[in-house]
Amino acid sequence: AQKVTQAQTEISVVEKEDVTLDCVYETRDTTYYLFWYKQPPSGELVFLIRRNSFDEQNEISGRYSWNFQKSTSSFNFTITASQVVDSAVYFCALRRKQGNEKLTFGTGTRLTIIP
Amino acid sequence: NAGVTQTPKFQVLKTGQSMTLQCAQDMNHEYMSWYRQDPGMGLRLIHYSVGAGITDQGEVPNGYNVSRSTTEDFPLRLLSAAPSQTSVYFCASSYTGTGNRDNYGYTFGSGTRLTVV
Repeated sequence: AQKVTQAQTEISVVEKEDVTLDCVYETRDTTYYLFWYKQPPSGELVFLIRRNSFDEQNEISGRYSWNFQKSTSSFNFTITASQVVDSAVYFCALRRKQGNEKLTFGTGTRLTIIP
Repeated sequence: NAGVTQTPKFQVLKTGQSMTLQCAQDMNHEYMSWYRQDPGMGLRLIHYSVGAGITDQGEVPNGYNVSRSTTEDFPLRLLSAAPSQTSVYFCASSYTGTGNRDNYGYTFGSGTRLTVV
């Protein structure tokens, strides 16, 4: 069975601070995909990143960066110099690479950026 | 390119009523699925389909039916609405398998907020 844990239910930081959202996953598969999605107050789900299990290279996209560590089954997400527009619920998710397209979501982390 | 279209956006039902949530995609995705989102529980899979004529149950299928007669459409039917089905429902689609065309993961609809009174 697959499981995704986002232990941080809610986080508040002051604007311009850096913040890291934690994601820990469990799977018996050796190959899989990990995702992060953003859900702003408007409610839609916005795709942020997909990471393959065989690629442990960290990724940076502007103020966003992701740290994937297979040894600790973690896929953490860092926002640098946070902005009010980053306020949202963030979900981490896991999917098997082959044979099963189902996404298993964590319970989400609500991030509030205080101006 | 509309992506995934869900209708209606809001709905209020009385206990015992039935209704169908519509979902359509125009990306020729083989895989379609329905999730419900409840506070503190993330998104949970209700039903999914890997192609026309093929459906299967997810984590929380009770009280819901689906069918997939075409690649584009994947309606979700509530047979006899209950207050426990008050939730936000999302439809999502993706390509199946692997490869570069799957780089963008799932595409989600904008959601349907359902209240059962």
